[in-house]
Amino acid sequence: DTGVSQDPRHKITKRGQNVTFRCDPISEHNRLYWYRQTLGQGPEFLTYFQNEAQLEKSRLLSDRFSAERPKGSFSTLEIQRTEQGDSAMYLCASLLGAGGYTEAFFGQGTRLTVV
Amino acid sequence: KQEVTQIPAALSVPEGENLVLNCSFTDSAIYNLQWFRQDPGKGLTSLLLIQSSQREQTSGRLNASLDKSSGRSTLYIAASQPGDSATYLCAVSNFGNEKLTFGTGTRLTIIP
Repeated sequence: DTGVSQDPRHKITKRGQNVTFRCDPISEHNRLYWYRQTLGQGPEFLTYFQNEAQLEKSRLLSDRFSAERPKGSFSTLEIQRTEQGDSAMYLCASLLGAGGYTEAFFGQGTRLTVV
Repeated sequence: KQEVTQIPAALSVPEGENLVLNCSFTDSAIYNLQWFRQDPGKGLTSLLLIQSSQREQTSGRLNASLDKSSGRSTLYIAASQPGDSATYLCAVSNFGNEKLTFGTGTRLTIIP
């Protein structure tokens, strides 16, 4: 499978614990985006990388969230001291093309439940 | 700030019927518009990408149109099948910025 891969698919954690998610983009895509989707809503932008550089962060990304993309390959999203409001689907997308030709390809997401 | 609206929020139609899903956006300065499909608990599957200079795109039984000046797009599904049941999301990327702004989706149910 050469699509975007996310791990784990599901994560249940207790409030206050730290969690880390991983995204492996399509190999030739240099831009990688993270989105968060709550029930009944569309995904919302969190942050994005071009190669290893994190170029933009949403105001949704509090200081408990950190993302990395070492060597411009896979990316990790860590949430520290999780809260119940962090429960959501976390989606990763990698992008092919430029400008109007840019197409986003999404992974299967990581469903986080904070209890 | 770009805002994307999808109406209706839910739609049920009998199998075999043709149907139209609607998407509207407030800022017409877009790079492109994408339609996605999302099955329950799953990620997003890209269906169609329409560049801002294009009027429509077709893939199999799907046809998406774009009227940038009026801020509207439609997704037409011909001869619907139970397997088409899913949530359909539209998203736009604004000119100069590739991040996507999504609507809240239309949950489609095809009744056998």
